[in-house]
Amino acid sequence: AQSVSQHNHHVILSEAASLELGCNYSYGGTVNLFWYVQYPGQHLQLLLKYFSGDPLVKGIKGFEAEFIKSKFSFNLRKPSVQWSDTAEYFCAVNGRFQKLVFGTGTRLLVSP
Amino acid sequence: NAGVTQTPKFRILKIGQSMTLQCAQDMNHNYMYWYRQDPGMGLKLIYYSVGAGITDKGEVPNGYNVSRSTTEDFPLRLELAAPSQTSVYFCASQLEVSYEQYFGPGTRLTVT
Repeated sequence: AQSVSQHNHHVILSEAASLELGCNYSYGGTVNLFWYVQYPGQHLQLLLKYFSGDPLVKGIKGFEAEFIKSKFSFNLRKPSVQWSDTAEYFCAVNGRFQKLVFGTGTRLLVSP
Repeated sequence: NAGVTQTPKFRILKIGQSMTLQCAQDMNHNYMYWYRQDPGMGLKLIYYSVGAGITDKGEVPNGYNVSRSTTEDFPLRLELAAPSQTSVYFCASQLEVSYEQYFGPGTRLTVT
């Protein structure tokens, strides 16, 4: 069965610090990988996605993620975080029958 | 486009009561999903539908029912509310075979 692990449950950073959130997946087939973001009080929005091709994927708001097949990882990065990046971040992998399997999420708090 | 809409935004139910959470999308997506989100648990799939008249169970279907009579609407029914169903419920829709899901704003349900 497909699964996603996000090992960092809570991350606290100061503004301008660099961010890396870990995501590891298990899935036997062709993978499609996603990062979603949920700002406080809002619904989930797609941050970026990987389907194929260049393993370094760029998303909105300066975020990027790298797909490393040998490590089953899809870590999210941002060189310099802002207070407005405070949110919960979810990694997801495609499952069978068009379903997404989500990780448990990482809460990021950026202090000004 | 309104995207994915959900009503109500908030609801408090007594144990044993019933209610229907409404979800509608205007993007002509065939695929629709219901998730529940609990703190520290990520999103769990309750039910999904790949088109009008077709529904199937997700990870946590017990205590819920769905119907899909039109492409646009995908209501979620709670028949006998229990405290374990206290959660935030998100509806999502997806263009076929894209795996890119669009989420509604959520319904926060409390069962006491």
